[in-house]
Amino acid sequence: DAGVIQSPRHEVTEMGQEVTLRCKPISGHDYLFWYRQTMMRGLELLIYFNNNVPIDDSGMPEDRFSAKMPNASFSTLKIQPSEPRDSAVYFCASSGVGTGELFFGEGSRLTVL
Amino acid sequence: GDSVTQMEGPVTLSEEAFLTINCTYTATGYPSLFWYVQYPGEGLQLLLKATKADDKGSNKGFEATYRKETTSFHLEKGSVQVSDSAVYFCALSDYNQGGKLIFGQGTELSVKP
Repeated sequence: DAGVIQSPRHEVTEMGQEVTLRCKPISGHDYLFWYRQTMMRGLELLIYFNNNVPIDDSGMPEDRFSAKMPNASFSTLKIQPSEPRDSAVYFCASSGVGTGELFFGEGSRLTVL
Repeated sequence: GDSVTQMEGPVTLSEEAFLTINCTYTATGYPSLFWYVQYPGEGLQLLLKATKADDKGSNKGFEATYRKETTSFHLEKGSVQVSDSAVYFCALSDYNQGGKLIFGQGTELSVKP
């Protein structure tokens, strides 16, 4: 299996621009998670889905952030408008049975100037 | 809510030294416990896990025992190598909360030759 695939690996954008991060989970996994990693705050769970349905979005920072999972093989995390404080590495992870054995992608490093 | 606390890093050791990274948790239910490792520039990988009290997880020479009485899951390795240099994350997953992972803040380990 190819593992969790994220794109882009690196994104540099200017404040106010829209950013879309993409994730393809491992085939057959029914849980998908979006995490954000920064030096100051460590790893933060933003949102997770079960069978394409958002279960807990309490970690989404504010209305500028939105996430969708239109089908079992694709998810997006969108930031509009982006701000410098959104600069971080965003990880997508998937899990087969929701027991905590997450498989992570390599991350998308976002820099907002 | 549930939480995980790890000893602060960075931890710097010489090759072949003994490693302990402390981890304690707070949970209302009966969580599963995990150690994940993140090598530079990569996503997190599962290192080991334990699903119930007194279970010992082990992998690649690393061990951790689930201690319910002390709510701890300390990571140990008898003889570290330079290749073990990474950031280590303790995490818990409570099935009652949908299986999402809650991470500690991470402990950076640097092993010198």
